[in-house]
Amino acid sequence: SQKIEQNSEALNIQEGKTATLTCNYTNYSPAYLQWYRQDPGRGPVFLLLIRENEKEKRKERLKVTFDTTLKQSLFHITASQPADSATYLCALPTSSASKIIFGSGTRLSIRP
Amino acid sequence: GAVVSQHPSWVICKSGTSVKIECRSLDFQATTMFWYRQFPKQSLMLMATSNEGSKATYEQGVEKDKFLINHASLTLSTLTVTSAHPEDSSFYICSARDFGGQYNEQFFGPGTRLTVL
Repeated sequence: SQKIEQNSEALNIQEGKTATLTCNYTNYSPAYLQWYRQDPGRGPVFLLLIRENEKEKRKERLKVTFDTTLKQSLFHITASQPADSATYLCALPTSSASKIIFGSGTRLSIRP
Repeated sequence: GAVVSQHPSWVICKSGTSVKIECRSLDFQATTMFWYRQFPKQSLMLMATSNEGSKATYEQGVEKDKFLINHASLTLSTLTVTSAHPEDSSFYICSARDFGGQYNEQFFGPGTRLTVL
């Protein structure tokens, strides 16, 4: 069955450093991969989508890579700030592309 | 970006009662909406796909008679938790897909916190 893993349940880093989050998947080849941010008690907010034929995508301080050989996506936040503290979720479409499935999320904490 | 609202934002009810949660897409039409449930410190678990004008598609293990979904219009889907019990207490989140968007992303509502006493 299709499986998505976000290896780190929690990540704590110093303000100003680059945060790197990992998303691995098995047993299928998604056409794209998405990253969302979720704050406590709120619904997820879409951040970035990267397609299977794209190696890298950037948006301001965010960078996403997609390695279809390794079946892995890396999500980077450069010059991290305490306001970046949140849970970050990766999500992939199912084989039929009719819905998306979320990883377990990584809770990122940026300390001043 | 597209906006999805949910009502109510929180609800407390007695065991055995039914609770209705509304999900609206405010500035776009959504032929498909999704209902998720999230327990503390866990990820979102898809419960069902709500299709306008047709029956919802439920994920394995989700009781369709307990979680009634109605998608009566292109901007409104409702989830009714029937005969709620304490184990149904959770954070319920809906989302809508904007097929006219560039990235086919889902836009999420703010969620509804259900507490069953």
